[in-house]
Amino acid sequence: QSALTQPASVSGSPGQSITISCTGTSSDVGSYNLVSWYQHHPGHAPKLMIYEGSERPSGVSDRFSGSKSGNTASLTISGLQADDEADYYCCSYVGSSTLVFGGGTKLTVL
Amino acid sequence: EVQLVESGGGLVPPGRSLRLSCAASGFTFGDYAMHWVRQAPGKGLEWISGISWNSYSIDYADSVKGRFTISRDNAKNSLYLQMNSLRAEDTALYYCARTVTGSYYYMNVWGKGTTVIVSS
Repeated sequence: QSALTQPASVSGSPGQSITISCTGTSSDVGSYNLVSWYQHHPGHAPKLMIYEGSERPSGVSDRFSGSKSGNTASLTISGLQADDEADYYCCSYVGSSTLVFGGGTKLTVL
Repeated sequence: EVQLVESGGGLVPPGRSLRLSCAASGFTFGDYAMHWVRQAPGKGLEWISGISWNSYSIDYADSVKGRFTISRDNAKNSLYLQMNSLRAEDTALYYCARTVTGSYYYMNVWGKGTTVIVSS
């Protein structure tokens, strides 16, 4: 159960787009379309932003989108806003009722 | 209002036990799979255990397997985490989380967490 690999940090200016990658293996991300993304502001509970790779829960802005290619899932945030500054985590099913998170990416809005 | 409230955290010496509870309200608890997720100081989120709505499917992260036990009481709208043989590396904020309707894999309702500190 190795953690999925995410960049430690990404940054962008307001209005720009950024993409956060989440790399796993053929045993997790590559095998299942069961990747989710969470936004976590320190001191608050994590918030589900994307599930099933690319689906948005109701209430989540369409500026957030998800995709997957091979063993890598990606989260793209377009039209960056100051409030998007947070930690972002991917999460994948890895079989046998087990989940694994990525190491997390700190997004800084410049 | 849909709500999860964790309790039971505290300061405990290495090797001892602790039982966390998560009280659910505002929804039909027995209809949902549940998970425990933790965050150690300065670290990322770590999934540690999940349980299906009927307790038939349960699993654990390798880091806690054999030491932690997840359980639920649907009649009491409660989720539990029995933590034995605690180690310093178990020090973390522990969240309980509810899954999206009909799914085991995605968590869309989270509690505020309860803090566990393992130290002598």
